[in-house]
Amino acid sequence: GAGVSQSPSNKVTEKGKDVELRCDPISGHTALYWYRQSLGQGLEFLIYFQGNSAPDKSGLPSDRFSAERTGGSVSTLTIQRTQQEDSAVYLCASSLGAGTQETQYFGPGTRLLVL
Amino acid sequence: RKEVEQDPGPFNVPEGATVAFNCTYSNSASQSFFWYRQDCRKEPKLLMSVYSSGNEDGRFTAQLNRASQYISLLIRDSKLSDSATYLCVVKKRAGYALNFGKGTSLLVTP
Repeated sequence: GAGVSQSPSNKVTEKGKDVELRCDPISGHTALYWYRQSLGQGLEFLIYFQGNSAPDKSGLPSDRFSAERTGGSVSTLTIQRTQQEDSAVYLCASSLGAGTQETQYFGPGTRLLVL
Repeated sequence: RKEVEQDPGPFNVPEGATVAFNCTYSNSASQSFFWYRQDCRKEPKLLMSVYSSGNEDGRFTAQLNRASQYISLLIRDSKLSDSATYLCVVKKRAGYALNFGKGTSLLVTP
């Protein structure tokens, strides 16, 4: 079956512009997560959705970052007024539920480069 | 101090060798433990979950020591295709995100 998909796969933008990154989770998965991976760094948690609500937004680095999820499915991560330090791979993952042993399946990521 | 710590490597080993990776975690309340594998410029994929009793999947064996807050991964009879970054992952409890180590790089050479 189809896995997690993300778009765009690559995005180059100028400092100060806004960007929107999209994630389509696996059908039926109620939990959705956003992470980012900067060069030489581990994966860093950003936000977690259960259905359409976000019980944990603790990883969002600043108020320039926001995310929403609609219809319990597609999610959009928005970065306003992008900065060069926002350059990273943004990864989305989904899981059937949020239990302790639930496997998270990752999408291929969006590579963001802020010039 | 980072919550999940790993030796970044790289580990360069010949085909057929046995290699072990270690990981420590700082939050004693952590409930779930995993090893993920990440190939260059690809997304992470679950390799195996780690249980207190230890578990094995083919050439891969994972161990968890809760008292020492230590996780290990053993790869026997290394293949060229095992070359990747191995990520140690910890989850605090249900409803929380995964907490990743920075990964250990493995290169298996002919």
